[in-house]
Amino acid sequence: EAGVTQSPTHLIKTRGQQATLRCSPISGHTSVYWYQQALGLGLQFLLWYDEGEERNRGNFPPRFSGRQFPNYSSELNVNALELEDSALYLCASSLDGNTEAFFGQGTRLTVV
Amino acid sequence: DQQVKQNSPSLSVQEGRISILNCDYTNSMFDYFLWYKKYPAEGPTFLISISSIKDKNEDGRFTVFLNKSAKHLSLHIVPSQPGDSAVYFCAASGLGGGSNYKLTFGKGTLLTVNP
Repeated sequence: EAGVTQSPTHLIKTRGQQATLRCSPISGHTSVYWYQQALGLGLQFLLWYDEGEERNRGNFPPRFSGRQFPNYSSELNVNALELEDSALYLCASSLDGNTEAFFGQGTRLTVV
Repeated sequence: DQQVKQNSPSLSVQEGRISILNCDYTNSMFDYFLWYKKYPAEGPTFLISISSIKDKNEDGRFTVFLNKSAKHLSLHIVPSQPGDSAVYFCAASGLGGGSNYKLTFGKGTLLTVNP
């Protein structure tokens, strides 16, 4: 069974540009979570989607947004990129009502 | 406000000995706790979990202990192996849904197991 897949693996953008990160959850999982792991900050919760709806978001500015598609895959968009947005972005999925989340390998975003 | 705290950024132990990783939390709404292991350049991997109705959960070499009154949990690895060297994240969640229905992570503890 395929795990959580994220694309691209690496992404290099310049300041002010937009980045789009993609995530495909484990088959049957309806919840998708996005986390940011910046240097020295651990895993910071970004967004939670379930059944196509945004259920919760962390303490990030509005230029971090996303959506979940009918097939439960998800997209994270970061607008007006800043240097501090350079980080590993991790996507996780879980079954509805099951808080055990399984993570993808992450997308390494570098803003130059 | 850091709701899940791993106060030790790093821990070094000898192969064969016990590794004890600690985690404290402040939110009394948390009732489900998980440990994840993360190797460099990889996503976190689920290791073991415990719900608040239990005070111990064991899976092979890994045991998690929960002390609800102290809002403290720990992960014990016995015996430690060099392949256990990784960053370990403690995570907490509330099963009641709403704003607590997400995983809140600690900053992680880097475990190094020396041969």
